[in-house]
Amino acid sequence: AQKVTQAQTEISVVEKEDVTLDCVYETRDTTYYLFWYKQPPSGELVFLIRRNSFDEQNEISGRYSWNFQKSTSSFNFTITASQVVDSAVYFCALKESWGKLQFGAGTQVVVTP
Amino acid sequence: NAGVTQTPKFQVLKTGQSMTLQCAQDMNHEYMSWYRQDPGMGLRLIHYSVGAGITDQGEVPNGYNVSRSTTEDFPLRLLSAAPSQTSVYFCASSYSGSHTEAFFGQGTRLTVV
Repeated sequence: AQKVTQAQTEISVVEKEDVTLDCVYETRDTTYYLFWYKQPPSGELVFLIRRNSFDEQNEISGRYSWNFQKSTSSFNFTITASQVVDSAVYFCALKESWGKLQFGAGTQVVVTP
Repeated sequence: NAGVTQTPKFQVLKTGQSMTLQCAQDMNHEYMSWYRQDPGMGLRLIHYSVGAGITDQGEVPNGYNVSRSTTEDFPLRLLSAAPSQTSVYFCASSYSGSHTEAFFGQGTRLTVV
């Protein structure tokens, strides 16, 4: 059973628009970790952020921000003032206490000038 | 440091052929894993290892074998390639703790004809 759901297959925006990527997860563990990875057109996987289940503080890093809500089992990712270089596939992932990293299906973000 | 190195980057196989995808890391990570990436399905775990001499199956292990004789290397073997194994393969490594992010290789694009 899929434990990480990224319902948005593709999002298209015009440069400078904000874009929010949804991630909903499912786990029975009380201790778990959530991640976001970026896969640009070149194909490599780039780590963006990690969040543990005990830390619900939102985080901002430049134009990126993350909203973690345990009550809704969501870990959403927002890109503010998008740029063409943000065009990529973004993956949300869940790691439970036994260590297997499980990915969502990914969301393709297309930013046009 | 080289990080996680995968070879080859591209490979074309005929149905029934065997081959080994190589993965090496120089970060002294205990945990290594293999994923396959298919369109619309994210990354799915094939096999993983929590240390030298210890391996286990992931979500989609059929048709693949692994071994872990050293901390550094974690090869993935396809014993009899099938067209359904056409995919992009990623090797990843991390420290054994659940909280640590995984570092990924550049990927191997495999086509089975």
